[in-house]
Amino acid sequence: IAGITQAPTSQILAAGRRMTLRCTQDMRHNAMYWYRQDLGLGLRLIHYSNTAGTTGKGEVPDGYSVSRANTDDFPLTLASAVPSQTSVYFCASSTTSGMNEQFFGPGTRLTVL
Amino acid sequence: AQRVTQPEKLLSVFKGAPVELKCNYSYSGSPELFWYVQYSRQRLQLLLRHISRESIKGFTADLNKGETSFHLKKPFAQEEDSAMYYCALSGGSGGSNYKLTFGKGTLLTVNP
Repeated sequence: IAGITQAPTSQILAAGRRMTLRCTQDMRHNAMYWYRQDLGLGLRLIHYSNTAGTTGKGEVPDGYSVSRANTDDFPLTLASAVPSQTSVYFCASSTTSGMNEQFFGPGTRLTVL
Repeated sequence: AQRVTQPEKLLSVFKGAPVELKCNYSYSGSPELFWYVQYSRQRLQLLLRHISRESIKGFTADLNKGETSFHLKKPFAQEEDSAMYYCALSGGSGGSNYKLTFGKGTLLTVNP
């Protein structure tokens, strides 16, 4: 693994189903983030984690949950998907040393029907 | 609350023309400003940040605290500059200030 990876690349999901998007980084970054990207709305923060064991809510957290059991992994779960959650989801990570550059994964394109 | 405004959703210029992508911000403290770029079918990547005062791929951006702006400029646009550009703001290091607030993005198209 090099950098930050996400899985799956894309997914079509029936409304009401549960879905977990995976994110893994090998850069030993303390902080990780989940964004959704929607046309005309830009990138909006869903949840974040400043260090393993802690998480926080972003701008649009409703309908999503996260966990941070270790430094490398930061899965995003949709407990019961709805069509408005159709989006492209990006995971990112950064150090907490002050430089704040975030490194992004390739994204997951999710369609909820 | 912090906010980033990119007033132009779309910007189209011809190759060789100057380009300026506008970004204005609202933040009560001392912000850190960034420009991220997303080329077609690629992941977002950092283009430049104001504290580095650098020029990347011919692009520059100056933080103007009086006008609360961080416009991205390039004197001669190239076709390979066509991409989605996002301005982003961080409240600085420490505490919960690692988060970035992104603008809605500007899609730049450079025509031949």
